[in-house]
Amino acid sequence: AQRVTQPEKLLSVFKGAPVELKCNYSYSGSPELFWYVQYSRQRLQLLLRHISRESIKGFTADLNKGETSFHLKKPFAQEEDSAMYYCALGGYNKLIFGAGTRLAVHP
Amino acid sequence: EAEVAQSPRYKITEKSQAVAFWCDPISGHATLYWYRQILGQGPELLVQFQDESVVDDSQLPKDRFSAERLKGVDSTLKIQPAELGDSAMYLCASSRDGAMNTEAFFGQGTRLTVV
Repeated sequence: AQRVTQPEKLLSVFKGAPVELKCNYSYSGSPELFWYVQYSRQRLQLLLRHISRESIKGFTADLNKGETSFHLKKPFAQEEDSAMYYCALGGYNKLIFGAGTRLAVHP
Repeated sequence: EAEVAQSPRYKITEKSQAVAFWCDPISGHATLYWYRQILGQGPELLVQFQDESVVDDSQLPKDRFSAERLKGVDSTLKIQPAELGDSAMYLCASSRDGAMNTEAFFGQGTRLTVV
């Protein structure tokens, strides 16, 4: 069965601090992994996907198959990064989501 | 910019009544998803369509929920009868195809409150 685990419900940091939002997955095949973000009063939208190996808004995520993880990182958090972040796994023709982590960046 | 449209935005219904939600995906998108999001949790996949065919509905409570996408374009999700535990945000999403590395685009959702 496929499963996505985001262990932290809330991550609170100060502006300029590094950020790491954790995501672990369970899947027997080759996973397609994504980070989606939901800013206040906006719809859920794609932030980045592992296949693109890109940096979006300063965020990066590396797939670690050995640890079955896909953590989201940013070296210097900004106040506008405050949002809900969801890790998602595509596999077995399904797209499933973790429970989400709320990132709060304080001035 | 094309967006996924959902209506209504908010719905309050009494327990045991019927309720329906509508979704219009981005034009040309073959895959359509319905998710349920309970407060404090992540989106849970209820049903996935590829064109007009159901690809997955393993998490759809079929005794009370039904979904259709008759012409492979817009879709309706129905609940009959509604129960208190159905109160949640219902999200619709679409993607260009069913490939698992394809981005899903989400609507703004329908917030259902069952009283």
